[in-house]
Amino acid sequence: QQPVQSPQAVILREGEDAVINCSSSKALYSVHWYRQKHGEAPVFLMILLKGGEQKGHDKISASFNEKKQQSSLYLTASQLSYSGTYFCGTSSNQAGTALIFGKGTTLSVSS
Amino acid sequence: DTGVSQDPRHKITKRGQNVTFRCDPISEHNRLYWYRQTLGQGPEFLTYFQNEAQLEKSRLLSDRFSAERPKGSFSTLEIQRTEQGDSAMYLCASSVRRDAPLEAFFGQGTRLTVV
Repeated sequence: QQPVQSPQAVILREGEDAVINCSSSKALYSVHWYRQKHGEAPVFLMILLKGGEQKGHDKISASFNEKKQQSSLYLTASQLSYSGTYFCGTSSNQAGTALIFGKGTTLSVSS
Repeated sequence: DTGVSQDPRHKITKRGQNVTFRCDPISEHNRLYWYRQTLGQGPEFLTYFQNEAQLEKSRLLSDRFSAERPKGSFSTLEIQRTEQGDSAMYLCASSVRRDAPLEAFFGQGTRLTVV
């Protein structure tokens, strides 16, 4: 079942923060976050595993709430390079089978 | 470049024709995935391989679609009797199978236009 992402779009100025949510009606084992710029391939950001810790690098971090089956991606002090469409991909088992992706959240950062 | 490579990058075909796409995964990656993406949507799973074995196919994958991965290296995706609804970006991704899920690396995709 396809995860639901919210919001659909976010418009920010450089330096502002944003939160993107990804919710599933199924029990999840892992949530994978990707960013895709127009005309390019999706680029991996991070994986959140059931029972795992919050992840992060640079000013992008994410959490996984097992009770709610929801993951949130946090972008702090946004930069122009953060612009793109963010997708969450979910898996319900440890075997690492194919991901089911949400419809994406488009982030636009302006100066 | 040692990333995932897809060929061709663009394909325009007439309705009813057959098309074949190729994907070369990152070497030593034993898992290979095919996804389809249309404008404004996330990647939609089509099928995946572990080595040469096709382990899962989406129920959305009609009989006109077939994929192979001979010898567990490159993979091909063939669409027979193309329809206008097949127009999309076809993405290939590869990963290494371990006990825990690892990141999948995507290729640049093949953009198919059926006219």
